[in-house]
Parts: sequence; C-alpha cells; structure tokens
Amino acid sequence: ETGVTQTPRHLVMGMTNKKSLKCEQHLGHNAMYWYKQSAKKPLELMFVYNFKEQTENNSVPSRFSPECPNSSHLFLHLHTLQPEDSALYLCASSQETGIRNQPQHFGDGTRLSIL
Amino acid sequence: KNQVEQSPQSLIILEGKNCTLQCNYTVSPFSNLRWYKQDTGRGPVSLTIMTFSENTKSNGRYTATLDADTKQSSLHITASQLSDSASYICVVSGNNAGNMLTFGGGTRLMVKP
Repeated sequence: ETGVTQTPRHLVMGMTNKKSLKCEQHLGHNAMYWYKQSAKKPLELMFVYNFKEQTENNSVPSRFSPECPNSSHLFLHLHTLQPEDSALYLCASSQETGIRNQPQHFGDGTRLSIL
Repeated sequence: KNQVEQSPQSLIILEGKNCTLQCNYTVSPFSNLRWYKQDTGRGPVSLTIMTFSENTKSNGRYTATLDADTKQSSLHITASQLSDSASYICVVSGNNAGNMLTFGGGTRLMVKP
C-alpha cells in the first residue's frame, strides 16, 4: 500500500468516448503528478500540480484535461483519444515540488486501451 | 539535453546469483539519483536515493553506487530472489528551480528458479 490509489485499474474505451481517471492520496502531500508509461519508453511527465495549482503542462494534447479540486485528489479527463494514447497512466504525489531529495509515491496506475 | 541511459535493457539470471544494473546520466546541475523498483502491474517504489556526496548506499540486498565525476550509478543485487523480478528505473533530479525528474528507460530483470 503506497498511499496513492488510482481508479479504475483497467479501462477500455473507444476513440469517441469520454472517461475520467481518478487518483487519491492519503499521505498529506501537496504535489501531485500525472505520468504516461508506454512500453519500452521512459516515464513521460504530463502534468504537475503544487498546492492545487498547475505548475507544469508538458506539451500534452488538449484531449487530456487534468483537474485538481484539492491536494488529495487528481483527475485526468479523457476525450477523443487516439490509439497511440494506449498506455499505463501513473499518478504520483510528493510533499511539494520545491523540496529536493523527497521521493514521489506512485499509484499502481490505470491501464488504458483505446479501440 | 538531460538524459538518463540504463543498461542492459533486460537481464535474466538464476535465483541466488548476483547482478549489477547500470545508469549513466547527463543531467546537470545534479541534485540526486534515485533507483525505483516497479513490479509488474504496480507503480514504481523507491529503493534508495544517492546525493552528490554519497558513493554507496545499501538497502538490504540492494547496494547503489554513485560516481558523480563520471555521472554513473549502479545497482547491485546480491543473492537474487524470485521476487526481485521487476523493472528497475533510474531517476535523476536536477538542481534547478523546477527540480524536475529525468527518467531512464529501465532494466527489466527476470530471476529464474
């Protein structure tokens, strides 16, 4: 148990569907992150939130829309996705982005498949 | 451009044997280097962190080394167990305002009985 919970664990959707991924952390952290993990590629940072404010958008297409209503919850809204968006989406949290030498705690991810 | 390269990409060893995973990086300025273990179907979990002044650090059967001059790190696993089968990811943090992380592509280790 890492303290970071992601739902759903698996998601299959068509290109015209709209769905949302949810992440919740119980660690009292103030920073939350979305990553994309594709086969045989390094983790790709997508979005960063620090104290509920988005501080990083790593050139992510607009079909991915993040939402951070509070420091414990993070959502990733999906619409009109493409087959190449199929991947493992990982959420992580840390104390805050400005503190060095702290680990990021990861959830177990949502395995997303686009038909 | 900041990069982290890991080798080998994959490795198969017999249970009880030792192995060493390599990580080379070009991240500058350097803050710290962390090794994560990612079991299949799970998220990465931190094993150890190395800062600039540290040369070696152990966590049970895992020993990490860091040579900040050559920008290389290694993760040595002693007396491997079946549960060591996982991907091992090297992550380097830069000492800059954004403090963003650069991830390696990982080494996939399989331990066979």
